[in-house]
Amino acid sequence: DAGVTQSPTHLIKTRGQQVTLRCSPKSGHDTVSWYQQALGQGPQFIFQYYEEEERQRGNFPDRFSGHQFPNYSSELNVNALLLGDSALYLCASSLTGEGMNTEAFFGQGTRLTVV
Amino acid sequence: LAKTTQPISMDSYEGQEVNITCSHNNIATNDYITWYQQFPSQGPRFIIQGYKTKVTNEVASLFIPADRKSSTLSLPRVSLSDTAVYYCLVGGSARQLTFGSGTQLTVLP
Repeated sequence: DAGVTQSPTHLIKTRGQQVTLRCSPKSGHDTVSWYQQALGQGPQFIFQYYEEEERQRGNFPDRFSGHQFPNYSSELNVNALLLGDSALYLCASSLTGEGMNTEAFFGQGTRLTVV
Repeated sequence: LAKTTQPISMDSYEGQEVNITCSHNNIATNDYITWYQQFPSQGPRFIIQGYKTKVTNEVASLFIPADRKSSTLSLPRVSLSDTAVYYCLVGGSARQLTFGSGTQLTVLP
């Protein structure tokens, strides 16, 4: 059973460019969340997708956008990259249900470096 | 979202039991307490989750007092491979996980 997979693993972009990161959730999961983790800090919630719609959003500018496909996979897009966008981007998948203790499974992350 | 407070760092020796305490004074009635482990350049990994009293799995134990304003993650007989950052999270589901700075545990030989 494949866990959460993210691609690419590493990426170097130039300031002002645009980037797309991809995530395939764990089998059976229908919800995908994205997090940004700067060096030495805990992950910060960007947004969450469920049923192909953004369900919840953290404190990130509109330059950060996403998409969820019918097969539950997801993309994170960042426009007009800034040096401060350099971070580890994490995707987490979970199953939305009636239970209150759903567990999130994280991928290995994509290391984005903006130069 | 309930705020959590945990020590920035802890050192231990191989074979010892490690207890990491987290304070969450503003925990809501329907909030669960979840602990994650993270190694460098990897995503966080779920360790254990609980609501009240004590929960134990093959990796760790979680102790939650009756007032639920704190919790303690207990790792029995740690090894060098347990060196990682440990995060305490409080919330109702996997909707929006709020991570603090975590506790850097360093296990020494």
